[in-house]
Amino acid sequence: KAGVTQTPRYLIKTRGQQVTLSCSPISGHRSVSWYQQTPGQGLQFLFEYFSETQRNKGNFPGRFSGRQFSNSRSEMNVSTLELGDSALYLCASSLQGSATTDTQYFGPGTRLTVL
Amino acid sequence: DQQVKQNSPSLSVQEGRISILNCDYTNSMFDYFLWYKKYPAEGPTFLISISSIKDKNEDGRFTVFLNKSAKHLSLHIVPSQPGDSAVYFCAASETGANNLFFGTGTRLTVIP
Repeated sequence: KAGVTQTPRYLIKTRGQQVTLSCSPISGHRSVSWYQQTPGQGLQFLFEYFSETQRNKGNFPGRFSGRQFSNSRSEMNVSTLELGDSALYLCASSLQGSATTDTQYFGPGTRLTVL
Repeated sequence: DQQVKQNSPSLSVQEGRISILNCDYTNSMFDYFLWYKKYPAEGPTFLISISSIKDKNEDGRFTVFLNKSAKHLSLHIVPSQPGDSAVYFCAASETGANNLFFGTGTRLTVIP
């Protein structure tokens, strides 16, 4: 079974631009979560989608948005990029999205650098 | 505010010895705890978990201990192997939630 895939793996953008990241979950998984990893903060939860609906959102500004398609693939968008948005963005998929009963499987991440 | 804390950014251990990684949390609503391991250029992979109704869970060389009164958990790796060298993240959640709260990670280096 193929794992979680994320594209692109690396991205360089300049301040003010916008970016779209993509995540393909494991086949059969309906929940996709996004996390931001920075050296000082660890992994921080961005949002979770299940059956095309955002069920939960972390404490991030509205510049961060996402969506999920009918095939469970998900995209994350960051508008008006800031230097502080430079991070590794990780996507995780699970069957139903329960953090206590479902194992979350992470993709390799997209490394975003904002110049 | 970091609800899950890993105060040791790094740890070095000799091969064959015990590795002990620590984690503290502040939210008393957390009732499920996990450890993830991350190698460079890969996503985190699930290692072991523990529910708050237990105080210990063992899986091969890995054991997680939970002290609810102290809001503290630890991961023991015995014996440590060079292939265990990675960044270890502690995570926590509460029943019904669909997101995890992660610590900042501890980089474990096992010296051959």
